[in-house]
Amino acid sequence: SQQGEEDPQALSIQEGENATMNCSYKTSINNLQWYRQNSGRGLVHLILIRSNEREKHSGRLRVTLDTSKKSSSLLITASRAADTASYFCATDEEGSNYKLTFGKGTLLTVNP
Amino acid sequence: EPEVTQTPSHQVTQMGQEVILRCVPISNHLYFYWYRQILGQKVEFLVSFYNNEISEKSEIFDDQFSVERPDGSNFTLKIRSTKLEDSAMYFCASSDAAGLLSNIQYFGAGTRLSVL
Repeated sequence: SQQGEEDPQALSIQEGENATMNCSYKTSINNLQWYRQNSGRGLVHLILIRSNEREKHSGRLRVTLDTSKKSSSLLITASRAADTASYFCATDEEGSNYKLTFGKGTLLTVNP
Repeated sequence: EPEVTQTPSHQVTQMGQEVILRCVPISNHLYFYWYRQILGQKVEFLVSFYNNEISEKSEIFDDQFSVERPDGSNFTLKIRSTKLEDSAMYFCASSDAAGLLSNIQYFGAGTRLSVL
């Protein structure tokens, strides 16, 4: 898979359910971030996890990072219709202090 | 809350024409970026800019592209001779730190470039 490759590509759930999205990457990283994009809009930073961290929480978001497997997951608990958006992981690769490498994203649809 | 602003929101141009996409980063940020997203594809890094020079650029950012910070607030992306394949959403971003400390980037809403 490519750097920052998410799965599933699309996820449809009911309001109140949890949504889990996964991301895999190939290179060594400084940190991994998750961004959200509403249709036709810009990207909004959600959460950052550093390479020496394994889990991080922010509100209804929980991110895990497994550097041995080069993978991360984003869990959104108690989803709401307003969570409907595309979610992207983005890696900040070692040796590159500037660019973010994005995956193709997961389109999450939360049905009311 | 401070935000990155981009103008115009939609730019239509003829193939071969020059376009300038404009961005106003968050005022105390020091690092600036351009990304693009072709419809239905992933967001791709184009270039980063710090201390009035390019820090890093991708293979996409060839001689047809240039960036400039003409004053203390604007950050522009110029495409000298547009091609059909330049049609995409272009995002500007800025951050106040890079590397190991943090590289949280704040994105504008984007400029949709349509090359006819």
